[in-house]
Amino acid sequence: GAGVSQSPSNKVTEKGKDVELRCDPISGHTALYWYRQRLGQGLEFLIYFQGNSAPDKSGLPSDRFSAERTGESVSTLTIQRTQQEDSAVYLCASSGGFGGDLNSPLHFGNGTRLTVT
Amino acid sequence: AQTVTQSQPEMSVQEAETVTLSCTYDTSESDYYLFWYKQPPSRQMILVIRQEAYKQQNATENRFSVNFQKAAKSFSLKISDSQLGDAAMYFCAYRRLSDMRFGAGTRLTVKP
Repeated sequence: GAGVSQSPSNKVTEKGKDVELRCDPISGHTALYWYRQRLGQGLEFLIYFQGNSAPDKSGLPSDRFSAERTGESVSTLTIQRTQQEDSAVYLCASSGGFGGDLNSPLHFGNGTRLTVT
Repeated sequence: AQTVTQSQPEMSVQEAETVTLSCTYDTSESDYYLFWYKQPPSRQMILVIRQEAYKQQNATENRFSVNFQKAAKSFSLKISDSQLGDAAMYFCAYRRLSDMRFGAGTRLTVKP
């Protein structure tokens, strides 16, 4: 596809369940980012991938959060034992070139709205 | 971690008028990029404008321009001839290598 694709667009889950959020970046983009956006707030950095490696996981809020990327393409963000505080929009973004390509802007998907009941 | 501060949670402008959104950032680096993104209710993050830190000339994209003050670490966005479609959340962002950080955002309302 032409842009970053995220699925599902909306997810409602019960507290304590695990969820998986998927991101398909723009083809050829080596850098991939996950952000969390709570209602009416800014973007909170979660994790960054360069290729299939995650050199920066510093934003993951707890060990219930994990992410992986395969084939230098699709990435999955997994939240285990979800809590109500995990309710937010999860945004994925990709950019071309390596992390050193400062000029390359991030291209965002439309996000997954997660609601934990 | 670098911090990006947007001190105006909300701003309002009359259609056709000009508005300026403020942004300051903290960094010890000399080589980096700054961006403004727009997020309408659709949630899609749209790049508005970018600025290279090594360039003294302020970036301009049609009705959008920036006032980049490197020494003051300030990066404000000016929207001229505001249109109803400009209503959105605006996020200032800093990027150096893989580190890309966003401000908390400014909600812009455009009054007809």
